[in-house]
Amino acid sequence: NAGVMQNPRHLVRRRGQEARLRCSPMKGHSHVYWYRQLPEEGLKFMVYLQKENIIDESGMPKERFSAEFPKEGPSILRIQQVVRGDSAAYFCASSPRTAGAGTDTQYFGPGTRLTVL
Amino acid sequence: AQSVTQLDSQVPVFEEAPVELRCNYSSSVSVYLFWYVQYPNQGLQLLLKYLSGSTLVKGINGFEAEFNKSQTSFHLRKPSVHISDTAEYFCAVSDSGGSNYKLTFGKGTLLTVNP
Repeated sequence: NAGVMQNPRHLVRRRGQEARLRCSPMKGHSHVYWYRQLPEEGLKFMVYLQKENIIDESGMPKERFSAEFPKEGPSILRIQQVVRGDSAAYFCASSPRTAGAGTDTQYFGPGTRLTVL
Repeated sequence: AQSVTQLDSQVPVFEEAPVELRCNYSSSVSVYLFWYVQYPNQGLQLLLKYLSGSTLVKGINGFEAEFNKSQTSFHLRKPSVHISDTAEYFCAVSDSGGSNYKLTFGKGTLLTVNP
């Protein structure tokens, strides 16, 4: 059973370009979570999605960032007009039900490392 | 809001020695606590979690952690480490209420086991 897949693993963008990060959850998982790890910091929650719904985006920056989890295909985290401060590792996790039930674990992918030149 | 402090950014130990990785948290509400491990080029893997009940939690690979509410700590221990335990270890906390899917992580502790 394949784990959570993220691609690309490394992404380099110039300031002002767009970055698209993809996350394929584990088979049978319908809940996806995105986290960001800035340099020298811990992972921080960004957004929680179910298929075709954003459940909680309280951790997303107000501008330039968006996320989706369509009925078919991977979840996408999109960053428009990237700036140097967006350089970070972005992790995706998935769970079969709401992880907050306490019994479902969030399974993490290996992350995408975004570098903005 | 919660926060997590992992007091040691790096911990070098020799093989077969005991190890303790320290984690302290801050929260105004009841919490769930987690330890994750990340091996090179892999995703974070859950080692163990505390939800309620016994304060001593046993996890995979011989690791255990003890929840100490009065000291707001959740230290990870292993009595005898192996070379293969070399990895980065993350402590995480969530509230135990309605938004308990939001994990807040510490900065991580790099455990290096030397022969």
